[in-house]
Amino acid sequence: AQKVTQAQTEISVVEKEDVTLDCVYETRDTTYYLFWYKQPPSGELVFLIRRNSFDEQNEISGRYSWNFQKSTSSFNFTITASQVVDSAVYFCALSGSQGGSEKLVFGKGMKLTVNP
Amino acid sequence: NAGVMQNPRHLVRRRGQEARLRCSPMKGHSHVYWYRQLPEEGLKFMVYLQKENIIDESGMPKERFSAEFPKEGPSILRIQQVVRGDSAAYFCASSAGTGDAGLVHNEQFFGPGTRLTVL
Repeated sequence: AQKVTQAQTEISVVEKEDVTLDCVYETRDTTYYLFWYKQPPSGELVFLIRRNSFDEQNEISGRYSWNFQKSTSSFNFTITASQVVDSAVYFCALSGSQGGSEKLVFGKGMKLTVNP
Repeated sequence: NAGVMQNPRHLVRRRGQEARLRCSPMKGHSHVYWYRQLPEEGLKFMVYLQKENIIDESGMPKERFSAEFPKEGPSILRIQQVVRGDSAAYFCASSAGTGDAGLVHNEQFFGPGTRLTVL
């Protein structure tokens, strides 16, 4: 079975602080894909990143960076110099390769509040 | 290029009525997924469809729920005889599907969701 755990449910920071959102996953698939989505207060889901299990290179996109470590089954997300507009619920998700289904298994989400 | 469209955005039904939720995928996408988000919870997979085929319905409740993605027109998620517990946000996502040899899972792009309230 596949599972995604986001241990933190809610974090509150002050603007310009760095914040790391943890994500731990479980899967028996050898090939799998990891995702992060952002859900701002308006409710839509915004795709942030996809990473496949063969690519452990860390990635940086502006103030966002992702640290994928297969050894610890983690795919953590760091926001540097946070801004009020980063306030949202962030979901980590996993998609396996077995069975032909590309369904996403989501964590429960982590609500980030960035205060001015 | 228009994104994933869902309508209605808000739907209110009384217990026992039917709810029909529509989803038009992004242009060029032939794979549609439905997810449900209950209050204060993450998203749960319901069903995965390609044109005229249900590929995976492992997340669908056994009764009252059905989904289709016809050759022409949007995908429809239908809930018959709604109950209060069906109140949730229902999200549709689309993707271009798996790439060569099943090695590429294309990202799923989500619609704005339909918020169903059952009175």
